[in-house]
Amino acid sequence: AQSVTQLGSHVSVSEGALVLLRCNYSSSVPPYLFWYVQYPNQGLQLLLKYTSAATLVKGINGFEAEFKKSETSFHLTKPSAHMSDAAEYFCAVSDLSGYNKLIFGAGTRLAVHP
Amino acid sequence: DSGVTQTPKHLITATGQRVTLRCSPRSGDLSVYWYQQSLDQGLQFLIQYYNGEERAKGNILERFSAQQFPDLHSELNLSSLELGDSALYFCASSVVLAGADTQYFGPGTRLTVL
Repeated sequence: AQSVTQLGSHVSVSEGALVLLRCNYSSSVPPYLFWYVQYPNQGLQLLLKYTSAATLVKGINGFEAEFKKSETSFHLTKPSAHMSDAAEYFCAVSDLSGYNKLIFGAGTRLAVHP
Repeated sequence: DSGVTQTPKHLITATGQRVTLRCSPRSGDLSVYWYQQSLDQGLQFLIQYYNGEERAKGNILERFSAQQFPDLHSELNLSSLELGDSALYFCASSVVLAGADTQYFGPGTRLTVL
């Protein structure tokens, strides 16, 4: 069965610092992977997704993620944090049963300090 | 704005009652998914419909049911409500069923059971 593990339920960075949110997946076959962001009292918004076309995926708001098969990882990074990046971030893997349901990690809450 | 609408935004009810949550997918999307977000369980897939037919079930209680209508909107019915059903319920939609297909999430319905 597929699963996703997000290391660190809370991450705190200073404004302008590197953001690194960790995600490891478990899948017996090459997966489709997603990062979503949830701002307070809002729904989930897609940041980026990996669909095997390229291992380095660029998303919205300056975020990117690198798929590393050898490490079964799909970590999310942003070179310079903004105050507006404070939110909860979810890594997800698409179920390969053919019905596309998403299996989410527990989420990482990002705090950005001035 | 993802294009997915959900009503109502908030719902407060008592134990034992029944409620209906409504979701309108993005124009052209045939697939609708329901997810539950709670503090103890995180984001969990409940059920999926594609063009009016149920396609996949997740950790959905027998007290919960859903349907997708000919105009593609969907309703999630929750009955015999318990305190533990208090959660944020999201609807998502996608064009088809492909694993790489992006799911667009609505703003959610926050259910509080007293």
